Amino acid sequence: KQEVTQIPAALSVPEGENLVLNCSFTDSAIYNLQWFRQDPGKGLTSLLLIQSSQREQTSGRLNASLDKSSGRSTLYIAASQPGDSATYLCAVRPGYSSASKIIFGSGTRLSIRP
Amino acid sequence: GAGVSQSPSNKVTEKGKDVELRCDPISGHTALYWYRQSLGQGLEFLIYFQGNSAPDKSGLPSDRFSAERTGGSVSTLTIQRTQQEDSAVYLCASTGVTLYNEQFFGPGTRLTVL
Repeated sequence: KQEVTQIPAALSVPEGENLVLNCSFTDSAIYNLQWFRQDPGKGLTSLLLIQSSQREQTSGRLNASLDKSSGRSTLYIAASQPGDSATYLCAVRPGYSSASKIIFGSGTRLSIRP
Repeated sequence: GAGVSQSPSNKVTEKGKDVELRCDPISGHTALYWYRQSLGQGLEFLIYFQGNSAPDKSGLPSDRFSAERTGGSVSTLTIQRTQQEDSAVYLCASTGVTLYNEQFFGPGTRLTVL
């Protein structure tokens, strides 16, 4: 059974710092991995999606990496800003199906101090 | 529309009443998913539609929960005889037939059962 874990549960850093959020999963047989952002009281916004054959994806100040063999993904945020404050969720689409449900981690609540 | 929409945005109901939650996926998206997010918890998969059929309804918590999708588009999630533990944010997502099968989420319906 696929399980997704995110550590830490909460993180607070001063503005301008680079930071890394961690995600681990128990079964390396994944179709893809997706990072989301959730603002309080809002839905989820997709940030980056990494296919199982890829090692990393970049979008602006965000870089996500994937190491399937070790069951790990990281989300790197460069030059953090107060507007980056949100909960970041990692989600794995297990197996070899392109349409199966995705399994979410419990998220990391990020706070950027001005 | 441009994104996934859900209605109502908020629903307050009394214990024992039935509620219907609606999801309008992105036009052309064939797969539709329902998730539930309880306070302070991660996202819990409920049911997945491919077209009008539901290949995976393993996450529905009890027989009080049901969902349907008509015309390969709009979906409704029905909760009968609501209980206080049903209080949560119900999120809908859709996926198109693309190489990446990225999930796009709606803003959610916040259900409160008094």
